[in-house]
Amino acid sequence: EPEVTQTPSHQVTQMGQEVILRCVPISNHLYFYWYRQILGQKVEFLVSFYNNEISEKSEIFDDQFSVERPDGSNFTLKIRSTKLEDSAMYFCASRGRGSSNAETQYFGPGTRLLVL
Amino acid sequence: AQTVTQSQPEMSVQEAETVTLSCTYDTSESNYYLFWYKQPPSRQMILVIRQEAYKQQNATENRFSVNFQKAAKSFSLKISDSQLGDTAMYFCAFMKPPTGNQFYFGTGTSLTVIP
Repeated sequence: EPEVTQTPSHQVTQMGQEVILRCVPISNHLYFYWYRQILGQKVEFLVSFYNNEISEKSEIFDDQFSVERPDGSNFTLKIRSTKLEDSAMYFCASRGRGSSNAETQYFGPGTRLLVL
Repeated sequence: AQTVTQSQPEMSVQEAETVTLSCTYDTSESNYYLFWYKQPPSRQMILVIRQEAYKQQNATENRFSVNFQKAAKSFSLKISDSQLGDTAMYFCAFMKPPTGNQFYFGTGTSLTVIP
């Protein structure tokens, strides 16, 4: 069964550094999402992406964050200048369209980001 | 704003027994979707079951079933014949159409199945 994959599984970075988290959504999916989960807290929405543009974003997704789909398969989340509070698990998700299960988002295994 | 509450941070169940995980939500919408996701130690978040609010019939998937009480805004997950592989974090999630919208998650329930 197709799965969403994410790399790396763990990333440690210094405060102020840029990080890029990568996701490969399920191949025929058209909608892409990033969520994060700070340790011990709930999973929070960051951004949704469709047709090569952001369709919705939360207040968490400020100017330090950006997303892109550079090559038609990868979907990336960039944090320009990481802060300690960016330490979290970051989940990518994707969903298709036009099927009976179209509203379901399929999640990747996450990238655990630690900012020191 | 939509909120999802899971009031049981941790639960345990004996293998082969039945366990129910609770979830409540708050919304003014009449049409929406509810989901249960499972996150085992491997971290892959896996869809367990989904429910469409306009369907009165409770969803079932093998050993997993839900008790959807729309008026009470309650969406509990029942796991029958619990297996060791059911040990995981379980998240309840809410989504309102249109289907491009974000999911709202609860804080999760950590379930341990005891041999």
